[in-house]
Amino acid sequence: SYDLTQPLSVSVALGQTARITCGGDNIGNRAVHWYQQKPGQAPVLVIYRNSNRPSGIPGRFSGSNSGNTATLTISGAQAGDEADYYCHTWDSTTEVFGTGTKVSVL
Amino acid sequence: EMQLVESGGGVVQPGGSLRLSCAASGFAGSGFTFDNYAMYWVRQAPGEGLEWVSLISGNGDTTYYADSVKGRFTVSRDNYKNSHYLQMNSLRTEDTGLYYCVKSYSRGWFLGDAFDLWGQGTMVTVSS
Repeated sequence: SYDLTQPLSVSVALGQTARITCGGDNIGNRAVHWYQQKPGQAPVLVIYRNSNRPSGIPGRFSGSNSGNTATLTISGAQAGDEADYYCHTWDSTTEVFGTGTKVSVL
Repeated sequence: EMQLVESGGGVVQPGGSLRLSCAASGFAGSGFTFDNYAMYWVRQAPGEGLEWVSLISGNGDTTYYADSVKGRFTVSRDNYKNSHYLQMNSLRTEDTGLYYCVKSYSRGWFLGDAFDLWGQGTMVTVSS
């Protein structure tokens, strides 16, 4: 099976930059997507195909993917960005989610 | 506005069955055709992360399942009704969770597409 590893938690000061990593074997060769999930809500797509933002997603969200690590960056984090974040890719015949990262904005 | 609404969750004993439904609305008004998009089920156990369950292609000819549910769950769709289903048999306690209906980002289907529209989920509890 293909495993995607994320840090359990990331803390960021208000207005600063948060980086959330997603580690996987040669993940740079795969398209990676990112979802934000706030408590009691369904996940929302914030980045697709490594670095593309769906309409309505603020420009402070960006993504990159190379080697064994994909990264979601939140530049100028806001209080409303506090949430769980999940990366997603695929392997063989399955879709795979990362373990999830809780982002706290201090 | 496109929307996905799940139903059919509930409390069931181990070994029991449930059938989840997902009704899609607002596709035509948004310029989308339901049968152009793959659909998925994704579940989330209480306090845990996301787990992909199944994929069905737009015309229903192709399906994939997570190893944890293969042979017990069956996914289907009725494009005339803009609906998507998950028949769950031989349920286990570890199947407990919130089940989300999800739409693919791209037309057509392929593994590794983004999930761009999620329902609010329906809760399944397997307990004796």
